[in-house]
Amino acid sequence: AQKITQTQPGMFVQEKEAVTLDCTYDTSDPSYGLFWYKQPSSGEMIFLIYQGSYDQQNATEGRYSLNFQKARKSANLVISASQLGDSAMYFCAMRRQNFVFGPGTRLSVLP
Amino acid sequence: ETGVTQTPRHLVMGMTNKKSLKCEQHLGHNAMYWYKQSAKKPLELMFVYNFKEQTENNSVPSRFSPECPNSSHLFLHLHTLQPEDSALYLCASSQDQSAWALGEYGYTFGSGTRLTVV
Repeated sequence: AQKITQTQPGMFVQEKEAVTLDCTYDTSDPSYGLFWYKQPSSGEMIFLIYQGSYDQQNATEGRYSLNFQKARKSANLVISASQLGDSAMYFCAMRRQNFVFGPGTRLSVLP
Repeated sequence: ETGVTQTPRHLVMGMTNKKSLKCEQHLGHNAMYWYKQSAKKPLELMFVYNFKEQTENNSVPSRFSPECPNSSHLFLHLHTLQPEDSALYLCASSQDQSAWALGEYGYTFGSGTRLTVV
């Protein structure tokens, strides 16, 4: 069975600093996709970044990068230069056919 | 505006009521999904429709009844709910259920319906 673990229920970061949100996953499938989503208080889930299991390079999207370590089955999200608007819940997810989501990390950016 | 619209945004209903949640997308997607998000629990997949056919029912109680009349619309009919059914119900869509293999970039989610059962 597929499982996603996010060990940090809550994180604080100072504005303009970088922060790493942890994600580990468990699957026996050789082919899968890893995703990060942001959920602000409004409720919608906003896609941030994607990493395919066969991708050789770590994914980057603007201030977001994914530190993919396949052997360790980890897919940590790095947010550089944090902004106040980054305060939200962040979910790591894995997709084979359907998505499996982690429990989430609540990030609070301090001014 | 995410491209996936859910109505209503908030709903309070009694345990004997019947109500429906609506989801609409005009992204040209062929797969639509219902997820339940309860406090302090991971998102739970409820139903999947691919090309209007239900492909997954994740052991959801019969008091939740989905309907997908076309690829653009998805409904969740609710009746005789329990207080523990109070949650955020999220709708999502994607190109199709198997598109992950093509490197498709995930789902597009709606803003959700926050349901309270009293």
